[in-house]
Amino acid sequence: AQSVTQPDIHITVSEGASLELRCNYSYGATPYLFWYVQSPGQGLQLLLKYFSGDTLVQGIKGFEAEFKRSQSSFNLRKPSVHWSDAAEYFCAVGSRNAGNNRKLIWGLGTSLAVNP
Amino acid sequence: NAGVTQTPKFQVLKTGQSMTLQCAQDMNHNSMYWYRQDPGMGLRLIYYSASEGTTDKGEVPNGYNVSRLNKREFSLRLESAAPSQTSVYFCASTPGPSNQPQHFGDGTRLSIL
Repeated sequence: AQSVTQPDIHITVSEGASLELRCNYSYGATPYLFWYVQSPGQGLQLLLKYFSGDTLVQGIKGFEAEFKRSQSSFNLRKPSVHWSDAAEYFCAVGSRNAGNNRKLIWGLGTSLAVNP
Repeated sequence: NAGVTQTPKFQVLKTGQSMTLQCAQDMNHNSMYWYRQDPGMGLRLIYYSASEGTTDKGEVPNGYNVSRLNKREFSLRLESAAPSQTSVYFCASTPGPSNQPQHFGDGTRLSIL
């Protein structure tokens, strides 16, 4: 079955520390991969996406993610976390053959808290 | 740019009442989606519209109906609200298929007593 797993429900880091949020997927073929961020009381905003090419992708707000086919993972990283990064982070995957599958598969999210 | 606009932002209903949640996008996108978000359950797709004039069920369509009024607008209707439908509802849109980045509204927080 197709699925997306974010193993960490909640993570707390200190401001200035590095961050890695994990995302693993189960899919029939290499999907399109996304990370979204949701600030409190807001909708979701796209951080970055992987469609093809370089497996290290850069996003907004200083985030990056690395696609590892062998591990079926797409982990999100940031070298130095800011207090404003406190939010909920969602990983999602979608079929490359969108004509047959118009639904993204979403992870349950990781809640990030940042200590001053 | 307004992007995706949802109205209302908050609503409290009594069990059995009906309600329509409105969603409009000004990006000329073809596809639109309705999700609900509940604690610990992530985002679940209720209905989607791949293009004007078409709608399809998602994961959790029971108790809901939708209308794609035109290319801009996609409404979600609760005919007889139930406490289990207390949730935060998000509308999203994409230029084409869902494997493109989705643009989200700020959500409607709905409580049903």
